[in-house]
Amino acid sequence: GAVVSQHPSRVICKSGTSVKIECRSLDFQATTMFWYRQFPKKSLMLMATSNEGSKATYEQGVEKDKFLINHASLTLSTLTVTSAHPEDSSFYICSAPTGGARGYTFGSGTRLTVV
Amino acid sequence: DAKTTQPPSMDCAEGRAANLPCNHSTISGNEYVYWYRQIHSQGPQYIIHGLKNNETNEMASLIITEDRKSSTLILPHATLRDTAVYYCIAIMNNNAGNMLTFGGGTRLMVKP
Repeated sequence: GAVVSQHPSRVICKSGTSVKIECRSLDFQATTMFWYRQFPKKSLMLMATSNEGSKATYEQGVEKDKFLINHASLTLSTLTVTSAHPEDSSFYICSAPTGGARGYTFGSGTRLTVV
Repeated sequence: DAKTTQPPSMDCAEGRAANLPCNHSTISGNEYVYWYRQIHSQGPQYIIHGLKNNETNEMASLIITEDRKSSTLILPHATLRDTAVYYCIAIMNNNAGNMLTFGGGTRLMVKP
């Protein structure tokens, strides 16, 4: 079945540094990638939608200059958290529509801790 | 996409059936009901989906009421590994690339 590989699974970084999270579609072409953020014991909140070859669209309240999204190919979308702060510590998850009966497939998530 | 409502939490004894309800009273005729679950610190996992008819696969059964205003996910023999948050989502078109909007889900705790 369609798989999205997300890396890294876990990262700890210092305040002020940048972190890049990658999501690759392994056996299908992901023209669209959704990026979610999830705080402890909360539901997934959509941050932004990336489309291959065009600018990402961001949800209200999400700073596009802080959360840089690149979707340069049909199999790779990246989210870069720039100048990270402790409040950016969260679980980040990507998801892509597969075009199949199962609808959407999700990455395994990235646990970001900013110290 | 239609809003869905689920109880925040449920308990189930290991080996018994877990019945997770979902209300989607404003669902439109071409919206599917999808169920995903999220085990702690993992990405959501697809379980099952349906439009009008009841569905069954190797993981679960989905019972959709005739008026489509609610549905029930059934895990026939719950195991400890089924402890997770279960999300019911109504989606306009499963191939349209529309974003998934997650509600609070139901936190299912399977107990020995």
